[in-house]
Amino acid sequence: QSALTQPPSASGSPGQSVTISCTGTSSDVGGYKYVSWYQKHPGKAPKLMIYEVTKRPSGVPDRFSGSKSGNTASLTVSGLQAEDEADYFCSSYAGGNRYAFGTGTEVTVL
Amino acid sequence: EVQLVESGGGLVQPGGSLRLSCTASGLTFSRYHMTWVRQAPGKGLEWVSFISYSSDNIDYADSVRGRFTISRDNAKNSLYLQMNGLRADDTAVYYCASDLAHKIDWWGQGTLVIVSS
Repeated sequence: QSALTQPPSASGSPGQSVTISCTGTSSDVGGYKYVSWYQKHPGKAPKLMIYEVTKRPSGVPDRFSGSKSGNTASLTVSGLQAEDEADYFCSSYAGGNRYAFGTGTEVTVL
Repeated sequence: EVQLVESGGGLVQPGGSLRLSCTASGLTFSRYHMTWVRQAPGKGLEWVSFISYSSDNIDYADSVRGRFTISRDNAKNSLYLQMNGLRADDTAVYYCASDLAHKIDWWGQGTLVIVSS
């Protein structure tokens, strides 16, 4: 399975919004509702932030939201806070037992 | 609190073997499918292998099929990855992750495998 394409970096000032895209194909992102987003801080395990395109696990702030259009999914972080500075990557179910993963985006809070 | 803790990584020569382990706590391990994912230096994440909660469904990426074997022991809340015939391009951080309803929800912190002479 091929990697999903994300921008390498994104940034915003505190309180602003940042949106990260995740582009795949009809065999992954476009073909299923199972797109997830993860936050990863250095040295820590990735944390699930969004699943099934738009759903937030318990405990994830509603500043984090997801959407999808065609073969591209997006994660928006509104009201940026310093602790949101991290790497973010997407994942999509790709059929069978397989997943495709995004290339990762480093979010900087200016 | 859910924790997945990988172990068993290290430096191994090409052609050698390693067995990775992942111990789970804070979740009903026997109800979760499990997955291994790896990230080579400077590269993106790559799905490696899947095992269903009951071990009756197993799958591998083409890049590791025939060399890696995934297994689990639900009584010990543990997941394993036996890696044989290791190559330089297997060098990566290996993550174990839980898989439920087509989403990977919990991840470990990873264990580093370096294949080099």
